[in-house]
Amino acid sequence: KAGVTQTPRYLIKTRGQQVTLSCSPISGHRSVSWYQQTPGQGLQFLFEYFSETQRNKGNFPGRFSGRQFSNSRSEMNVSTLELGDSALYLCASSFNPPGRGFSYEQYFGPGTRLTVT
Amino acid sequence: GIQVEQSPPDLILQEGANSTLRCNFSDSVNNLQWFHQNPWGQLINLFYIPSGTKQNGRLSATTVATERYSLLYISSSQTTDSGVYFCAVVRNAGGTSYGKLTFGQGTILTVHP
Repeated sequence: KAGVTQTPRYLIKTRGQQVTLSCSPISGHRSVSWYQQTPGQGLQFLFEYFSETQRNKGNFPGRFSGRQFSNSRSEMNVSTLELGDSALYLCASSFNPPGRGFSYEQYFGPGTRLTVT
Repeated sequence: GIQVEQSPPDLILQEGANSTLRCNFSDSVNNLQWFHQNPWGQLINLFYIPSGTKQNGRLSATTVATERYSLLYISSSQTTDSGVYFCAVVRNAGGTSYGKLTFGQGTILTVHP
């Protein structure tokens, strides 16, 4: 079974621009979570989507948004880029049906390394 | 929110040595995972272990959920074991915790030949 894929792998943008990152989950996984990794803050949760609905959101400004499509693929968008948005963005997928009282194992993609200049 | 603390922050070993990494968490959890981050940044799943003990080759892990800690054991370490090891948990808080892994700061392991 193919793993989680993310595109693009590397990206260089200028302050003020916007960027869209893509994530394709493992086949059969309907939950997709996004994380930001920086040297100063470590790995932080951005948001989680299931069946095209955002179920959970971390403490990030509204410039960070996402969506999920009917095939479970997900995109995240960052508008008005700032230098501090330079980071490794990771997405993860899991088989996480609604209504269950626990979370299943998450599997991560290779990440998108974003540099803002 | 839940706090996750890993120790030690850095660990330097000679090839062949054994090591124990610790993860303490501040609240009840329904998911605990250990990861190894490779030099290219990808998180490699080691264990999904909200409770109990598991073994996979030279690696094993134990989670004592009632005492809120987990241990990762690496035996007969190899240079390829070098990298950053993360513990991450999902707090047992129903719908408010969906898909949200909270990570520790990691343990940087260096294995010398």
